[in-house]
Amino acid sequence: KQEVTQIPAALSVPEGENLVLNCSFTDSAIYNLQWFRQDPGKGLTSLLLIQSSQREQTSGRLNASLDKSSGRSTLYIAASQPGDSATYLCAPEPIKAAGNKLTFGGGTRVLVKP
Amino acid sequence: NAGVTQTPKFRILKIGQSMTLQCTQDMNHNYMYWYRQDPGMGLKLIYYSVGAGITDKGEVPNGYNVSRSTTEDFPLRLELAAPSQTSVYFCASSHAGATDTQYFGPGTRLTVL
Repeated sequence: KQEVTQIPAALSVPEGENLVLNCSFTDSAIYNLQWFRQDPGKGLTSLLLIQSSQREQTSGRLNASLDKSSGRSTLYIAASQPGDSATYLCAPEPIKAAGNKLTFGGGTRVLVKP
Repeated sequence: NAGVTQTPKFRILKIGQSMTLQCTQDMNHNYMYWYRQDPGMGLKLIYYSVGAGITDKGEVPNGYNVSRSTTEDFPLRLELAAPSQTSVYFCASSHAGATDTQYFGPGTRLTVL
């Protein structure tokens, strides 16, 4: 069974600092890994999807890396802004799971202080 | 496109009552999912469907039922509500295949007292 861990559980940084969010998973047999953002009281919004054959994926200030063999992914957010305050969740998609099922980590709650 | 819509947004139930959480998507997605999210936790999959007429259990299906009579709709039924079902429920959909992300609805916050 896939287990997903996100460290740290919470993070508070001053505006302008770079953010580093970690995700580890136990089963490396995955199709892809997704990073989501969740604002308080809202649903999830997909940020990045990294295919298992890729090492990283970039979108604006966001960069996600994937090391499938070691079961790790890292989300980097450059030059953080108060609007980046949210909970970030990672979710690998196991190859063995039918229907594109995802397994979610517990999330990292980020607060960017002005 | 409205994307994934869920109703109601909030609901309070008494123990033993039943209700249906509605989910509709207008993106013609094959796959649909129901998750629950307990406070401070990640999401756990309750049920999923890979197409109309096909449903299957996820990680935490006990106490819930689903049906998928159309591509657009995927209702989640709670029978005999229990306090342990107090949670936020999210519906999601995706097209198909390993390259497609899941799109989430805004959630239904359910309290069972």
